Amino acid sequence: AQTVTQSQPEMSVQEAETVTLSCTYDTSENNYYLFWYKQPPSRQMILVIRQEAYKQQNATENRFSVNFQKAAKSFSLKISDSQLGDTAMYFCAFMKHAGKIIFGKGTRLHILP
Amino acid sequence: NAGVTQTPKFRVLKTGQSMTLLCAQDMNHEYMYWYRQDPGMGLRLIHYSVGEGTTAKGEVPDGYNVSRLKKQNFLLGLESAAPSQTSVYFCASLGVGHFADQPQHFGDGTRLSIL
Repeated sequence: AQTVTQSQPEMSVQEAETVTLSCTYDTSENNYYLFWYKQPPSRQMILVIRQEAYKQQNATENRFSVNFQKAAKSFSLKISDSQLGDTAMYFCAFMKHAGKIIFGKGTRLHILP
Repeated sequence: NAGVTQTPKFRVLKTGQSMTLLCAQDMNHEYMYWYRQDPGMGLRLIHYSVGEGTTAKGEVPDGYNVSRLKKQNFLLGLESAAPSQTSVYFCASLGVGHFADQPQHFGDGTRLSIL
């Protein structure tokens, strides 16, 4: 069974700093998808970034980028120039080609003014 | 442009009562999911469906049943509610062939309290 591990329950950084959230996963699949979701206090689930396992190039979305290490089964999220609005829970998620999506337990990120 | 709609948004039940949570999506998505979110536990998959008439167990299926009689609806049932089922429940949907192009679409959640 697939598992997703986020080893940092909570993190705090100063505004404008760069922060990296870690995620590791376990799977025997070769083709799969990885996601980072943001959940602000409003409780909405917002997709931040996604990565297809067969793509070697790391995904980027504005200030958000990932470091995808397939062999190490690692999928970390880097937030550059962090903003107060980035304060939220961040969830890493794994999906194989078709079917269920498994989430990690989340990292609570605080951006400090 | 409703997306994924969950009904109800809040509910308080007594132990032993039954209820059904409704999830409706208007995007013609094939896949639908029910998650529960508890403090410190993230989102855990209860059941999911890859198409009309099909359902499958997720990580924590015990105490729940689901049905997908119509493509646009995914129902989550609690036959005999227990305090351990107090949680926030999220429904999500995903279209076939768009795994990487589009994210899961989430509903706004249902806060369920079992007394």
